[in-house]
Amino acid sequence: EVQLVQSGAEVKKPGESLKISCKGSGYIFNNYWIAWVRQMPGKGLEWMGIIYPGDSDTRYSPSFQGQVTISADKSISTAYVQWSSLKASDTAMYYCAREGRGDYSGHFDYWGQGTLVTVSS
Amino acid sequence: EIGLTQSPGTLSLSPGERATLSCRASQSVINKSLAWYQQKRGQAPRLLIYGASSRATGIPDRFSGSGSETDFTLTISRLEPEDFAVYYCQQYGSSPPFTFGPGTKVDIK
Repeated sequence: EVQLVQSGAEVKKPGESLKISCKGSGYIFNNYWIAWVRQMPGKGLEWMGIIYPGDSDTRYSPSFQGQVTISADKSISTAYVQWSSLKASDTAMYYCAREGRGDYSGHFDYWGQGTLVTVSS
Repeated sequence: EIGLTQSPGTLSLSPGERATLSCRASQSVINKSLAWYQQKRGQAPRLLIYGASSRATGIPDRFSGSGSETDFTLTISRLEPEDFAVYYCQQYGSSPPFTFGPGTKVDIK
């Protein structure tokens, strides 16, 4: 069974750093792109970026380029998104999702449960 | 970047009725590279339709997708109580970012 299990909720202060994770199981992790999707409170879905764990090839949305860093450790089947200096506007639910075609340009067939990030002074 | 609009914003219907949701792209979506997702309150999105008209694994046949180029439709033939949710379309046919629409909420009339 394919599963993406994300790390737990985080409460941080503005200016702090953060790295959240997404661990895949039930499939060959290296062979499928993993995307990160933001959902701000009460809002819609935003495509942040995507990584191919096999070689760490990464593509970003222009809206998120330079704001976050997406990475992966294929040895432990885990993808990450990190912030070096959080802002209150980073408060959101963050989902990881598996791209279903083995290509960076595809639909998302499996999703993690989400990680709620709250940034508040 | 391809922009997506969805209409209506909210659809108020009763169980058993037919729901028709629209997704319109700002430019042609190549190869019918459009997906639909369902999101219930407090849950992650779930893939319903990909390639504009292919149902994902385990999705009931009351859900169907159609369309091409700039106009796409998700139809729920007979609403079940568990279908009341928010529905998002997503295009993935061009270069990133692979944008989502703003969503259509289907609620109980």
